Amino acid sequence: DTGVSQDPRHKITKRGQNVTFRCDPISEHNRLYWYRQTLGQGPEFLTYFQNEAQLEKSRLLSDRFSAERPKGSFSTLEIQRTEQGDSAMYLCASSMGVQETQYFGPGTRLLVL
Amino acid sequence: GENVEQHPSTLSVQEGDSAVIKCTYSDSASNYFPWYKQELGKRPQLIIDIRSNVGEKKDQRIAVTLNKTAKHFSLHITETQPEDSAVYFCAALGNQFYFGTGTSLTVIP
Repeated sequence: DTGVSQDPRHKITKRGQNVTFRCDPISEHNRLYWYRQTLGQGPEFLTYFQNEAQLEKSRLLSDRFSAERPKGSFSTLEIQRTEQGDSAMYLCASSMGVQETQYFGPGTRLLVL
Repeated sequence: GENVEQHPSTLSVQEGDSAVIKCTYSDSASNYFPWYKQELGKRPQLIIDIRSNVGEKKDQRIAVTLNKTAKHFSLHITETQPEDSAVYFCAALGNQFYFGTGTSLTVIP
């Protein structure tokens, strides 16, 4: 499968725990995006990378959220001290560049108990 | 506030009829406008897109129009089929990335 992949697909955690999600973009894509989607809503932009550089992070929901793309390939999104309100689908997407189609991964569904 | 507004939130049409979904945006730097279809439990899939230097684009039963002056764009689906039933999202991309809140389309056989 040469599409965007995400791991894990589902995560159940207890409030206060840290979680980390991984995204593997399409190999030749230099841009990688993270979104959050809650039920009945469209994807909400969180942050994005061009290669290893994080170009926008002001939309991250709080300082509990952080993302990395250390070698310009896969990326991780970490949520520290999870809260019940963090329960959502976390989507990753990648694209060749600016104004290019963003291809989405299958998402990681997070449930915080 | 909302940077992309999408209407209607739900839409039911008879099979064979047309469906129209409209979006407005506020960020004048937006210059790329994709439309995604998302079936229940699945990832958003691109169905058509338009760039700011084009006013209209068509791909078989699907068309998109863009009015950059008025900052609105629309998705048109003709000869709807039951398999068109899904949630459709518009997006306005530029320096920022904004998605609409989605339109749940139901095509009644």
